[in-house]
Amino acid sequence: GAGVSQSPSNKVTEKGKDVELRCDPISGHTALYWYRQSLGQGLEFLIYFQGNSAPDKSGLPSDRFSAERTGGSVSTLTIQRTQQEDSAVYLCASSLDPRAKTQYFGPGTRLLVL
Amino acid sequence: SQKIEQNSEALNIQEGKTATLTCNYTNYSPAYLQWYRQDPGRGPVFLLLIRENEKEKRKERLKVTFDTTLKQSLFHITASQPADSATYLCALDRSNTGKLIFGQGTTLQVKP
Repeated sequence: GAGVSQSPSNKVTEKGKDVELRCDPISGHTALYWYRQSLGQGLEFLIYFQGNSAPDKSGLPSDRFSAERTGGSVSTLTIQRTQQEDSAVYLCASSLDPRAKTQYFGPGTRLLVL
Repeated sequence: SQKIEQNSEALNIQEGKTATLTCNYTNYSPAYLQWYRQDPGRGPVFLLLIRENEKEKRKERLKVTFDTTLKQSLFHITASQPADSATYLCALDRSNTGKLIFGQGTTLQVKP
């Protein structure tokens, strides 16, 4: 079956521009997570959606970052006024529900801010 | 603060040998720990989960141990193959919500 998909696969932008990253989770998965992986760093948790509950935004590094999940499926991560330190791979993962433990990751979006 | 540490240096071994990767954590009492594999340019792929009441878990050539006293997990790949070359990540769930904290990963290179 189809796995988690993300788009675009690569994004190059200029400092100060806004970017939108998209994640399509596995159908039927209620939990969706965004992580960031900077060069040489481990994955860093950003935000978590579970069903219709309010998202857990505790990992967002600044108020320039926001995310939404429409209809309990597709999610969009938005970064406003991008900075060079935002350059990283942004990974999305989904799981059947939080108790399922196993997370299925997408291929990631590689963001480069010039 | 909560911290997870993995061997930062790459591990180079000869094909057929056993690879052993280490994951240490501090200031944390996880109910379970996971191991993922990540290939260049790809997202992590789940390999194994071990719970706090399990000492050892096996899956084919993979074996994971979990010592909650030492706050350490060991990940073993027996009869290693060049196809096992990848970065291996350990991860803990700090609040049982699936919000994983990952180690930096250890890169394994298996030479033929």
